[in-house]
Amino acid sequence: KAGVTQTPRYLIKTRGQQVTLSCSPISGHRSVSWYQQTPGQGLQFLFEYFSETQRNKGNFPGRFSGRQFSNSRSEMNVSTLELGDSALYLCASSLGSSGSYNEQFFGPGTRLTVL
Amino acid sequence: AQSVSQHNHHVILSEAASLELGCNYSYGGTVNLFWYVQYPGQHLQLLLKYFSGDPLVKGIKGFEAEFIKSKFSFNLRKPSVQWSDTAEYFCAVGSGGYNKLIFGAGTRLAVHP
Repeated sequence: KAGVTQTPRYLIKTRGQQVTLSCSPISGHRSVSWYQQTPGQGLQFLFEYFSETQRNKGNFPGRFSGRQFSNSRSEMNVSTLELGDSALYLCASSLGSSGSYNEQFFGPGTRLTVL
Repeated sequence: AQSVSQHNHHVILSEAASLELGCNYSYGGTVNLFWYVQYPGQHLQLLLKYFSGDPLVKGIKGFEAEFIKSKFSFNLRKPSVQWSDTAEYFCAVGSGGYNKLIFGAGTRLAVHP
């Protein structure tokens, strides 16, 4: 069974640009969560999508957005990039059964560098 | 706001030593607790989880953790570490429903042969 895949693996952008990251969950998984990992702030929850709907959201500005497609693939977008957005962005997929926690399987991440 | 504290940021041990990594969370309601591990160059993977029932939970690779509700703690233990346990360990709590996890800052463990 293929794991969670994220593309691209590395990305370099300049301030003010926007970026789109992609995540393909494990086959059969309907929930996709996004996390930001930085040395200073650690792992922080961005949002979760289930059946194309945002089900949960962390404390990030509106510049961070996401969506999920009918095949459960998900994208996250960051607009007007700032230097502080440099981070490893992790995607995690799970079965996503309603009302309960499911084991989340993490992808390798996308390393975003903002210059 | 919910938070998770991991007491040790860096731990260095020799092989065969015992390991205990501390984790405390601040949340008074029902929680789901997790330990994740990130080996060098690899993805985050689940070591063990606690949802309910027996507060002593066993995970993969000989790891176990004990949930102590009165202390808001979920410490990770292993009786005898190996060089291959060198990794970063993250404690996490699930709160607010569904798949939102709050992570601790992580503990880097280095095991010397």
